[in-house]
Amino acid sequence: GDSVTQMEGPVTLSEEAFLTINCTYTATGYPSLFWYVQYPGEGLQLLLKATKADDKGSNKGFEATYRKETTSFHLEKGSVQVSDSAVYFCALSGVSGGGADGLTFGKGTHLIIQP
Amino acid sequence: DTEVTQTPKHLVMGMTNKKSLKCEQHMGHRAMYWYKQKAKKPPELMFVYSYEKLSINESVPSRFSPECPNSSLLNLHLHALQPEDSALYLCASSQDELRYNEQFFGPGTRLTVL
Repeated sequence: GDSVTQMEGPVTLSEEAFLTINCTYTATGYPSLFWYVQYPGEGLQLLLKATKADDKGSNKGFEATYRKETTSFHLEKGSVQVSDSAVYFCALSGVSGGGADGLTFGKGTHLIIQP
Repeated sequence: DTEVTQTPKHLVMGMTNKKSLKCEQHMGHRAMYWYKQKAKKPPELMFVYSYEKLSINESVPSRFSPECPNSSLLNLHLHALQPEDSALYLCASSQDELRYNEQFFGPGTRLTVL
């Protein structure tokens, strides 16, 4: 079945540091890929998405590129802020119909940004 | 309106109680979902409704009973829950079931079963 693997952390960085959170996936065909962010005590917010190979999703300074050759969707940001501290989930929506199977999530990466 | 709302925000119930969680969206989405999230874990899919019909039931115990009264509303009826059912229950919606449509999540209901 489909699966997502991401670094779990916690990942601790200083403000203005460069961020990379690795995400790789296993799926049949061409899944859609997503990054969601969850702040303490809240639901999940969509951060960005990509639906086909070589697509780049971007939002709020975050970027991720759908790499089919390496089955990866790594999240990057050039300069993190304290307000970026949260849990980040990589997720995929499978070829059999994303809604029918729901989203397959990675375990989540807890990001801590220190001033 | 790109919001999914959930009520109540917090719920404490005993093992013999019956309660309901409610979810609402006004984005015209035709697929709605219930997820369960335990602390420090990713969400786990419980139910999928597509065009108001239950399309997926991930072998969830019968003490959880979903209902979709119309395309904007989704309920989760709870009865005879166990302490291990304590979790954050998240509702989500998407335009339809197609894989490229993102899911929009509500803020969740924090459930505690005593």
